[in-house]
Amino acid sequence: AQKVTQAQTEISVVEKEDVTLDCVYETRDTTYYLFWYKQPPSGELVFLIRRNSFDEQNEISGRYSWNFQKSTSSFNFTITASQVVDSAVYFCALSEGRNDYKLSFGAGTTVTVRA
Amino acid sequence: DTGVSQDPRHKITKRGQNVTFRCDPISEHNRLYWYRQTLGQGPEFLTYFQNEAQLEKSRLLSDRFSAERPKGSFSTLEIQRTEQGDSAMYLCASSPGDFYNEQFFGPGTRLTVL
Repeated sequence: AQKVTQAQTEISVVEKEDVTLDCVYETRDTTYYLFWYKQPPSGELVFLIRRNSFDEQNEISGRYSWNFQKSTSSFNFTITASQVVDSAVYFCALSEGRNDYKLSFGAGTTVTVRA
Repeated sequence: DTGVSQDPRHKITKRGQNVTFRCDPISEHNRLYWYRQTLGQGPEFLTYFQNEAQLEKSRLLSDRFSAERPKGSFSTLEIQRTEQGDSAMYLCASSPGDFYNEQFFGPGTRLTVL
């Protein structure tokens, strides 16, 4: 069964628009970690953020913000005032307490920001 | 400070040939991971090492695949008798310390099996 679902396959926006990427996860563990990675056209996965299951506080880092809601098993990611350089594939990932070495990735959402 | 490096970046081979990829993790990172990524999908876990010990192997890692990490430094992933279905991006990642931390990925090796 898919542990991480990213329902949006592709999103296209015009520069300066906000874009929100959805991520829904599934786990029976009480201890787990959630991640977002960015994969630009160059191909290298870039770590963006990690949250643990005990910390539901939302986070803002520059133009990036994350909304973690355990009640809906969601960990959504918003890019504010998007820029062309934000064009990439974004992956949400989960690691579960008993297998914390293993990242389970979603299928990714391709974001295209047009000038 | 260098990141995770992988060699080669691209490999084209004929079906039935053996291939070997190398990964050099970030210095002093104890954990090293291999993932496979096919077009349009997220990476899938293959195996991981804690120092030189291989502690977990995915069902995706058939007996044609073998990974090593001698001396707990660089790692190699070998695929024997390659098949067209092996065509994918092979990603290596590393993480520091004995406790879980975010994984830092290399640029990947893109394998094409003709």
